[in-house]
Amino acid sequence: DTGVSQNPRHKITKRGQNVTFRCDPISEHNRLYWYRQTLGQGPEFLTYFQNEAQLEKSRLLSDRFSAERPKGSFSTLEIQRTEQGDSAMYLCASSFSGGSNQPQHFGDGTRLSIL
Amino acid sequence: AQTVTQSQPEMSVQEAETVTLSCTYDTSESDYYLFWYKQPPSRQMILVIRQEAYKQQNATENRFSVNFQKAAKSFSLKISDSQLGDAAMYFCAYTTDSNYQLIWGAGTKLIIKP
Repeated sequence: DTGVSQNPRHKITKRGQNVTFRCDPISEHNRLYWYRQTLGQGPEFLTYFQNEAQLEKSRLLSDRFSAERPKGSFSTLEIQRTEQGDSAMYLCASSFSGGSNQPQHFGDGTRLSIL
Repeated sequence: AQTVTQSQPEMSVQEAETVTLSCTYDTSESDYYLFWYKQPPSRQMILVIRQEAYKQQNATENRFSVNFQKAAKSFSLKISDSQLGDAAMYFCAYTTDSNYQLIWGAGTKLIIKP
């Protein structure tokens, strides 16, 4: 069990640029989740996948955000035309399928800073 | 709407003593799951303990235990024999089988005094 891996750890970019983050879940896990966490707050749900299918998207996920999980393994989260308000920690988690009592295992996150 | 409230932004405890972190939630569901996660500074979120709402018995994991009061919609975390390594943000979270996303409280910063 190598854990959930997220890359990059930190991303600094200028407003208006596009950014892409990658998440590699624990290999046996079917579900993959993306959350956003701003300073001093709890995480907020963005979206989740069951294998390659994106099953739910939060209203927080505007048209500038897109997530994929093409082969049911790793996932990418892309933000187009970044804005100051996108500055946050982006967390990825994975879990086994089954009931919601399956714990979600988190990566270290990608911290995005918009200049 | 389902919400999770942690009313203590910060708590401090002397090393080796016991501390209780509070969490309340609001839901109309009868079946759901509650979790406490720990997030050390600049480190990943780690599951501390979980509780299924249908279970009356309070969950326990070594020095960590919960006081689950379903009628009061309360889910507090007790840490016994506090250790320096327990210093972290602690988040309470909720989910159901109809919606796999975790709904989180704002967190409580736990400070351990040596």
